[in-house]
Order: sequence, then structure tokens, then C-alpha cells
Amino acid sequence: GAVVSQHPSWVICKSGTSVKIECRSLDFQATTMFWYRQFPKQSLMLMATSNEGSKATYEQGVEKDKFLINHASLTLSTLTVTSAHPEDSSFYICSARRGKTGSVYGYTFGSGTRLTVV
Amino acid sequence: DAKTTQPTSMDCAEGRAANLPCNHSTISGNEYVYWYRQIHSQGPQYIIHGLKNNETNEMASLIITEDRKSSTLILPHATLRDTAVYYCIVRVASNAGGTSYGKLTFGQGTILTVHP
Repeated sequence: GAVVSQHPSWVICKSGTSVKIECRSLDFQATTMFWYRQFPKQSLMLMATSNEGSKATYEQGVEKDKFLINHASLTLSTLTVTSAHPEDSSFYICSARRGKTGSVYGYTFGSGTRLTVV
Repeated sequence: DAKTTQPTSMDCAEGRAANLPCNHSTISGNEYVYWYRQIHSQGPQYIIHGLKNNETNEMASLIITEDRKSSTLILPHATLRDTAVYYCIVRVASNAGGTSYGKLTFGQGTILTVHP
């Protein structure tokens, strides 16, 4: 159990376009989802935390107007990179946390999305 | 959440035990020690967690010192597929208090290379 599906696994887009990444919890309800970004040879950096039905909380330095997060249901969160530029090229990873009745280790990660902006 | 310190890299021979240390000297009484690993170009994978007692599951064992200021993750028989970055994270349990939805903060981790 506790599977998180992230789609697409990789995407190449032109500079100036927008890209949407989906994160779905397949067999549990995720009250909270997290979005991370990882540059080559670096650790995961948290971008934002989203709770179902409310606005996302962004980490310091992350542009909320550039990285749009929607968490409209308990099983789906989306991250849209708007007006992407080459410096946005990175590995984006989502994580879903189960509700308060879940297990103590209730963080499950998606397999990541490799975004390349050309 | 308490900060952790891990060695940058470690090597291990296939079939031998891999012992990965983690220092968390500022850990609080209600904070757990979590271990995740990340194989190249994949999302992190949960390994094990513990509060103060040693823990064992099908993947690994976790040894926590009595003062809880450090811990060791043990992979008893490392295989080539265990080559990954291992992250030690200290935080309050995710279901603590029912309304806690705290984030996992990743440090640099330890790059474990298992060689033939």
C-alpha cells in the first residue's frame, strides 16, 4: 500500500511555456502533499506544502506565482511551472502524507519528474 | 526539527554489513529518527524509523544510542542495489497530535557505494 504516482516522469519544454506535473496518491487519502526540487548532486529542497482545499504554503525564496500548486482533492496535487526558463530545469518530487489516522511513517514519495527547459 | 550530521560518503563490499552513522545531538524527547534512501533519479524510499529503542525490519536495523544523540543504520548484507544516498532525518512523528503535518527536511545524506 501507500503508492504515490507522479506524472510525467520526464518532460522537455520550450522556454516560456508552462508545464504541469501531477501527483496522485493511489490507495490512500493524502491530506497534505509536499513538493521538492532537486538539482544535480544536491539534496532535496522543499518548495511548498499543500493541504487539500487550501492555499499552499511556500518556502522562503520560492516564487508562488511561478510555481502554482493546486490540491483540489485528497488524492491529487498538481505543480505548474509557469513561463519556464532553463534555470527551472530540475528534478521535481512530490510527497504525500496520510491523514492523522495514518501510520507514523506516512510520507510516501513519487518517483520524480525530470524537467528540462530548452 | 533537530539537525543531523552524516558522513559525505562511505564504501561497502557486497555481502558485508553497511553501518551508516548519524549524529543528532540536539534531538528533542518527542522527535523520531527516520531513515530514507534515494537511488539515482528516483524518489526517496522509506527505510526505518525509531524513537529510542532499536528497531529492525526486513530492510535494515536501526541502533539508537541511550542518550539518543546518535544512531546507526545497518544494512546487514549489502547488495549492489543498495548503492544510494541515505538520509537521516529527525522530526516529530507525522501523526503526533493529530494535526501535525510537518515537513521532512533533507540534509546532504551519505552516498553509500556498494562494490563487488
